[in-house]
Amino acid sequence: KQEVTQIPAALSVPEGENLVLNCSFTDSAIYNLQWFRQDPGKGLTSLLLIQSSQREQTSGRLNASLDKSSGRSTLYIAASQPGDSATYLCAVRKDGYSGGGADGLTFGKGTHLIIQP
Amino acid sequence: KAGVTQTPRYLIKTRGQQVTLSCSPISGHRSVSWYQQTPGQGLQFLFEYFSETQRNKGNFPGRFSGRQFSNSRSEMNVSTLELGDSALYLCASSLRESPYNEQFFGPGTRLTVL
Repeated sequence: KQEVTQIPAALSVPEGENLVLNCSFTDSAIYNLQWFRQDPGKGLTSLLLIQSSQREQTSGRLNASLDKSSGRSTLYIAASQPGDSATYLCAVRKDGYSGGGADGLTFGKGTHLIIQP
Repeated sequence: KAGVTQTPRYLIKTRGQQVTLSCSPISGHRSVSWYQQTPGQGLQFLFEYFSETQRNKGNFPGRFSGRQFSNSRSEMNVSTLELGDSALYLCASSLRESPYNEQFFGPGTRLTVL
């Protein structure tokens, strides 16, 4: 069974710092990995999608890497801002097995990030 | 382009009742998935629909069911509600059935069971 772990569970840093969020998964047979942010009481906003054949993806101040063989991904946030405060979730789409195709996304529990002004 | 919409946004029900939640995907998207989010279990996959057919199902009891219509809109139904069904129910849409597609989530329906 695929399990996704995110470390740390919570992080508080002053504005302007660069930071790294970690995600690990137990089964490397994945189609892709997706990073999301979730604001309190809201839905999920997709940040980056990395296909299993890719090593990294970038969007603005965000950079996500994927090492499928070791079951790890990192989300790098440059020059953090108070507006980046949210819970960050990573999710993997596990490779399908006979009879059913791919499962839905398997999520980690998230990293609760606070950027202090 | 409008995002994923879910209705209603909030619901309060009592144990034993049933509830129906609705999801309209992004225009042109044909695949819809449902997830349950609770503080204890986090986000868990319920089921996925494409072309009005359930393609995948998570590990939930049969009280949880869903369907998809020809216009790709989807509904999920929970019968005989239990206190533990209180959760944020999230719908996600993607362009096609392919697992390589990015998933986009709606704002969710907050269900409270009393």
